[in-house]
Amino acid sequence: DAKTTQPPSMDCAEGRAANLPCNHSTISGNEYVYWYRQIHSQGPQYIIHGLKNNETNEMASLIITEDRKSSTLILPHATLRDTAVYYCIVSGSGTASKLTFGTGTRLQVTL
Amino acid sequence: DTAVSQTPKYLVTQMGNDKSIKCEQNLGHDTMYWYKQDSKKFLKIMFSYNNKELIINETVPNRFSPKSPDKAHLNLHINSLELGDSAVYFCASSQGPIGTDTQYFGPGTRLTVL
Repeated sequence: DAKTTQPPSMDCAEGRAANLPCNHSTISGNEYVYWYRQIHSQGPQYIIHGLKNNETNEMASLIITEDRKSSTLILPHATLRDTAVYYCIVSGSGTASKLTFGTGTRLQVTL
Repeated sequence: DTAVSQTPKYLVTQMGNDKSIKCEQNLGHDTMYWYKQDSKKFLKIMFSYNNKELIINETVPNRFSPKSPDKAHLNLHINSLELGDSAVYFCASSQGPIGTDTQYFGPGTRLTVL
């Protein structure tokens, strides 16, 4: 599985958009980009995933560059409850694929 | 209703003991996983089962033995507990075993070995 690089921490004011970057320059053609988050030692929570196209759901948007070497998770209106560690993960679509969690980005949303 | 549940939530025990952690999912998923999160917060997969069959077994000491009595349950039994086993253990499930299937995680079991 390809590795990812994320900044260790970011701050965001409540109500503003939080843009979390991720580099995955060694991603291969059949690998998806996943985002999970972990709020204060709870179980990780799925946010969104994508292959090539940009994706949006009720939680966030995922922007993947055309060369697929990087992506950005966007929380459009961050709230205090979005304070968490955000993990960008690349995983294949074959059988027995697994999620390999890195160190993630600790997002602190402040008033 | 809780989708993925684990018991117990906290487990404190002495070195050398044998303990089990139970996991149940009511999502109708075919695949279940165990992850370990150590004190440095690294989250690593240990095992995954698909339809009660082991499909991923990372480099885990054989003191750890997962048991899947049915698709909805994946229990983790640990023999001869060591100090280094202290961690938070998360169970997860997904519809299938492939990378495109979203994983749903339980609340975790915090194991402390004294």
